Amino acid sequence: DQQVKQNSPSLSVQEGRISILNCDYTNSMFDYFLWYKKYPAEGPTFLISISSIKDKNEDGRFTVFLNKSAKHLSLHIVPSQPGDSAVYFCAAVGSSNTGKLIFGQGTTLQVKP
Amino acid sequence: NAGVTQTPKFQVLKTGQSMTLQCAQDMNHEYMSWYRQDPGMGLRLIHYSVGAGITDQGEVPNGYNVSRSTTEDFPLRLLSAAPSQTSVYFCASSRDTPSGEYNEQFFGPGTRLTVL
Repeated sequence: DQQVKQNSPSLSVQEGRISILNCDYTNSMFDYFLWYKKYPAEGPTFLISISSIKDKNEDGRFTVFLNKSAKHLSLHIVPSQPGDSAVYFCAAVGSSNTGKLIFGQGTTLQVKP
Repeated sequence: NAGVTQTPKFQVLKTGQSMTLQCAQDMNHEYMSWYRQDPGMGLRLIHYSVGAGITDQGEVPNGYNVSRSTTEDFPLRLLSAAPSQTSVYFCASSRDTPSGEYNEQFFGPGTRLTVL
């Protein structure tokens, strides 16, 4: 049973526009939600996180929104840049002290110049 | 700092062979984990460790063994490789944190394993 789901395998946007990546989860006990970015032949790198007690966290061009009632989170990238083209993984952790991340399937973002 | 290093980068095994994937970190992190990435499945946790001498199973532990004798190293052993273990393997580490906080996991570059 997939506890974290990313239902869109791919997304294509024009440079300068907004990219919105979505993620759904089923376990209401998750404490933190994260977004990781992955380039080919590299390991994932941390992008942004949000605590389950918040509904928004912003870091530069990246904003994560959390809707607990809908068990849904989204990552907004504004403005999108070609260098943002990568696979984006949504992940959740039940306890911040164990490092046991539960990942979604990933969404491949392509930003066209 | 080298961060999280993994060796080898690529490996081809025959069914039934054994091997060890190496992982090391030089950041003095308490937590270390192994994930595998398969198409359409995201990353799935195999085993993890919260400190030297302490390991536990993740989502997909069958066919894999781990040990953590030092803070720096966390090797992953395949005792008898099977084609279903063909995957990309990532090691990660992170600091211990006070309850209610989150510290990012740092990932290695991965090992691409093919089992024939």
